[in-house]
Parts: sequence; structure tokens; C-alpha cells
Amino acid sequence: DGGITQSPKYLFRKEGQNVTLSCEQNLNHDAMYWYRQDPGQGLRLIYYSQIVNDFQKGDIAEGYSVSREKKESFPLTVTSAQKNPTAFYLCASGRASNQPQHFGDGTRLSIL
Amino acid sequence: RKEVEQDPGPFNVPEGATVAFNCTYSNSASQSFFWYRQDCRKEPKLLMSVYSSGNEDGRFTAQLNRASQYISLLIRDSKLSDSATYLCVSGFHSGGYQKVTFGIGTKLQVIP
Repeated sequence: DGGITQSPKYLFRKEGQNVTLSCEQNLNHDAMYWYRQDPGQGLRLIYYSQIVNDFQKGDIAEGYSVSREKKESFPLTVTSAQKNPTAFYLCASGRASNQPQHFGDGTRLSIL
Repeated sequence: RKEVEQDPGPFNVPEGATVAFNCTYSNSASQSFFWYRQDCRKEPKLLMSVYSSGNEDGRFTAQLNRASQYISLLIRDSKLSDSATYLCVSGFHSGGYQKVTFGIGTKLQVIP
């Protein structure tokens, strides 16, 4: 079945630690996105990528990094510089133009 | 002013009732509009795209009013299973990317 797979489902980060969230899609979508969702807030865009080896900062990129070495994969690293990382992280992919995005089932990140 | 504004609710309605949500967007260049459904602690799932002419999918009807910059979602004959948060989304193209903005979501609770 085609879809978007995020792992792990739950992740705990220690102080000063970098952690990487995985996102893989087999929908052959060009564009991939990372969002963060906090309670009572809408989704906020962290990074997005249209093609391999290219990505752009979203609205809240500070403390995060990404790579896009393969079309299918768009991992997100939450660095120690991100002081408030506890949130629900959602990866999405979509075609170009006015098509909707589709989401993975998310990763919940918490601080130990 | 937020780019996409929604009443967070909650809207508590009895089973069988008709309920309507409105959402306003501030970017007049927005070209694409969607409604997503998000269940508690789950990822958003596409409910329907919103077209200029309006569109219907079973009990759900979506409308777009470009002049007033709002979109609406009407749910007829509400079911208990409709209880969820409904996210309004507007999008536009920028430099080859589709950039979307999510509203905070409107929470619906259908009561027996």
C-alpha cells in the first residue's frame, strides 16, 4: 500500500542530545514537508523540500535540520539548540500544484 | 491577523443535527483550499478539497467565497463518528512550492 511512514512513534530526548525523526514515502511525491503541532495550536511548518538535495526553511526552522538525499526520504533532526522540542511532529508529502498534502501518523517527542 | 482563522469551538451538537463551520483566510492570492479531519492524537486526514463551484461528498458540503475570503463546511445528519477536529487549509504557489497554512481547527463533539 502506498503511504507515508514515520518512525519512531514515540521518542524521548535527553538534554543536549540531537535526535532524528524518520519519514519515508512511496507515493512518488516530489514535495515533502515537516510540521510541528502543539496543543491548542495549528500546524506550523518547519522545513519543506520540492526536489532531491534541495530544501527550504519554513516558519520555525531554528533548532532543526533536514536532508533530502532520496526522493522517498526526508529525515528531520531536532538539535540541542531547539529548547522546547516537546511536540507532535508530522511529515507530509504532496504533488506540485494545487493538490492536497498527505500525512504520516506522526512522532511524539518528549524531553526526559 | 492570522492567515487562516477558525472558531476553535467546541461545537456540541446532537446526533442527526446539521452543523456548519466557517473559516476565513487573509491571503487573497490563495489558490487551493481543503478541509482535513483530525482525531485526537492522530494525524490530519484529508476530508475534501474545496472548489470554486462548491462540492459535496455524501453528508459533507464545502463552499468557497472568494469575495469574502472564507470557506465553509456543512455536515448534515451528524453521526457520533463525526466527532473530531476539523482543520481549514489554504494554499498558494511560491517559487514552485505549494505553501499551505492550517487553521487551528474547530472541535466538533456529536452527542447521543
